[in-house]
Amino acid sequence: SQKIEQNSEALNIQEGKTATLTCNYTNYSPAYLQWYRQDPGRGPVFLLLIRENEKEKRKERLKVTFDTTLKQSLFHITASQPADSATYLCALPSSNTGKLIFGQGTTLQVKP
Amino acid sequence: SAVISQKPSRDICQRGTSLTIQCQVDSQVTMMFWYRQQPGQSLTLIATANQGSEATYESGFVIDKFPISRPNLTFSTLTVSNLSPEDSSIYLCSAGREMNTGELFFGEGSRLTVL
Repeated sequence: SQKIEQNSEALNIQEGKTATLTCNYTNYSPAYLQWYRQDPGRGPVFLLLIRENEKEKRKERLKVTFDTTLKQSLFHITASQPADSATYLCALPSSNTGKLIFGQGTTLQVKP
Repeated sequence: SAVISQKPSRDICQRGTSLTIQCQVDSQVTMMFWYRQQPGQSLTLIATANQGSEATYESGFVIDKFPISRPNLTFSTLTVSNLSPEDSSIYLCSAGREMNTGELFFGEGSRLTVL
């Protein structure tokens, strides 16, 4: 069955460092992949979309890579700030329905 | 972008009762969805709310338990029926404009606790 895996352990880093979060998937050949941010008690907020023919996408301090051979996406936040502390979710369209399926998310904690 | 308002934001209900959650989008959208998020877990898609017709449910979710309405392009309701403690969760309304690749906008969620 289709599966999305994100590191369930929280990632703790020092302010100013680069945070790297991983999203692995199996039994998928997604045409695109999305990343969302979710703060406690809030709904997810869309950050970035990367298509299967794009290796890398950037938006300000964010960078996403998409390796369809490894079946993996990496999400980078450079020059991280305490305000970047949140849970980050990756999402892919279901092969059957095209509807978005979400990974479990990785919680990032940036310490000042 | 689209702003999504959900209410109630939280509620505590007794076992066996029902709760209806309302979702209002500030602009016309093509798609509306309902997700459930249990504590510490990811989002699970319950159903797609179809305008003027029956919702499309995902595996494991049925209309009798989660009746959904969508009378127009900007409004939908989700009812959680015959509540049990296992229904305690956050229910999220989301909306999108494009069928493929489009981003989803989410409401703030409705936190339900069933006693």
